[in-house]
Amino acid sequence: GENVEQHPSTLSVQEGDSAVIKCTYSDSASNYFPWYKQELGKGPQLIIDIRSNVGEKKDQRIAVTLNKTAKHFSLHITETQPEDSAVYFCAASNSLRGGNQFYFGTGTSLTVIP
Amino acid sequence: NAGVTQTPKFQVLKTGQSMTLQCAQDMNHNSMYWYRQDPGMGLRLIYYSASEGTTDKGEVPNGYNVSRLNKREFSLRLESAAPSQTSVYFCASSRLAGGPGTDTQYFGPGTRLTVL
Repeated sequence: GENVEQHPSTLSVQEGDSAVIKCTYSDSASNYFPWYKQELGKGPQLIIDIRSNVGEKKDQRIAVTLNKTAKHFSLHITETQPEDSAVYFCAASNSLRGGNQFYFGTGTSLTVIP
Repeated sequence: NAGVTQTPKFQVLKTGQSMTLQCAQDMNHNSMYWYRQDPGMGLRLIYYSASEGTTDKGEVPNGYNVSRLNKREFSLRLESAAPSQTSVYFCASSRLAGGPGTDTQYFGPGTRLTVL
């Protein structure tokens, strides 16, 4: 099955700086790559996603880039704020293959220092 | 709209006991999912229901059973709990039929289960 690796596991940045989280995947057939934010004691919440026919997607301070050849995708958060502090998960899925599995990375704990 | 709700929020079981985790969504979604979250391992898919009346195994189905009771409700049952099933369990749903990857998944608040 798919293997999703996520780095770093922890990340601390100063308020206003940028944060970058990277994920790699093993199954070249994966075609859907969402990012989730999980705050303490809550369930994960989708913040942005990208499909394999797109190389980059932006939503205000958040962007995701996808390199299909290298099989990696990254989350970029600019102008970080204390409320961005949370655990972020990447995931990969092949929505076209029978079985429709969905694999998460192991998470990155982001701390934004005021 | 409550979204995805889960009961109970916390549960402690002894080894060998059984229990059912309940999940309901009020968004008229077609697909529903059960995940477990363990420290350092992210979320892993246990079972999913790609549409009302169907269920399929995910990555870690052993020791669990599920029931898609109707379009709104999807329950997870532990028949004989083991300490290895100590985890936080999340239910999720998505609008389109077809299961994971087809659409955005919305998660519930989770159930913290401890098996002694």
